Amino acid sequence: QQKVQQSPESLIVPEGAMTSLNCTFSDSASQYFAWYRQHSGKAPKALMSIFSNGEKEEGRFTIHLNKASLHFSLHIRDSQPSDSALYLCAVSRAGGYKVVFGSGTRLLVSP
Amino acid sequence: GPKVLQIPSHQIIDMGQMVTLNCDPVSNHLYFYWYKQILGQQMEFLVNFYNGKVMEKSKLFKDQFSVERPDGSYFTLKIQPTALEDSAVYFCASSLELGGPSSYEQYFGPGTRLTVL
Repeated sequence: QQKVQQSPESLIVPEGAMTSLNCTFSDSASQYFAWYRQHSGKAPKALMSIFSNGEKEEGRFTIHLNKASLHFSLHIRDSQPSDSALYLCAVSRAGGYKVVFGSGTRLLVSP
Repeated sequence: GPKVLQIPSHQIIDMGQMVTLNCDPVSNHLYFYWYKQILGQQMEFLVNFYNGKVMEKSKLFKDQFSVERPDGSYFTLKIQPTALEDSAVYFCASSLELGGPSSYEQYFGPGTRLTVL
């Protein structure tokens, strides 16, 4: 049974800082790794996903995956108040297998 | 971008009644999901559905729950009878999962807030 855990549970960073969010998973057969962002009262929306070991950068966001360590992370450069939200990591074996979400990290970026 | 619609946005019902939550997924998507989220808490997987069949369901998907998508219409979640602990926001999601990695992205609807009294 896939277990997905996120850390920290919550985080407050000043505007302009680097934010790092972590996610660990238990199923070594997992193939799809993603971060979703959910603003209060809204639906989650996919931010970035990765399939293979390494890094992927899109704008201010970087996702890093280390399958051997069963760990992936999201880094937000130059954090903005608009980045304040609940961040959910998601893991799946893909190919129609269920996607398991972590419990979330609540990020607050203070102006 | 692609949108998933959910109807209704809010539903208030008495315990023991039946409720049907409706989802209009992205038109060319093949996989459909229901999730349950109690206010501000974890997004919890309920069930996924492909080619007219349930593929996986979690322990939260009780016997009182059922899903269907008759003839490409709405993807529905029915709860009969409802219980107090069913109060939550229910999110529907769909994905294509055919082709490249980007096809695994799940598109979420805005959610249906269900209140069971």
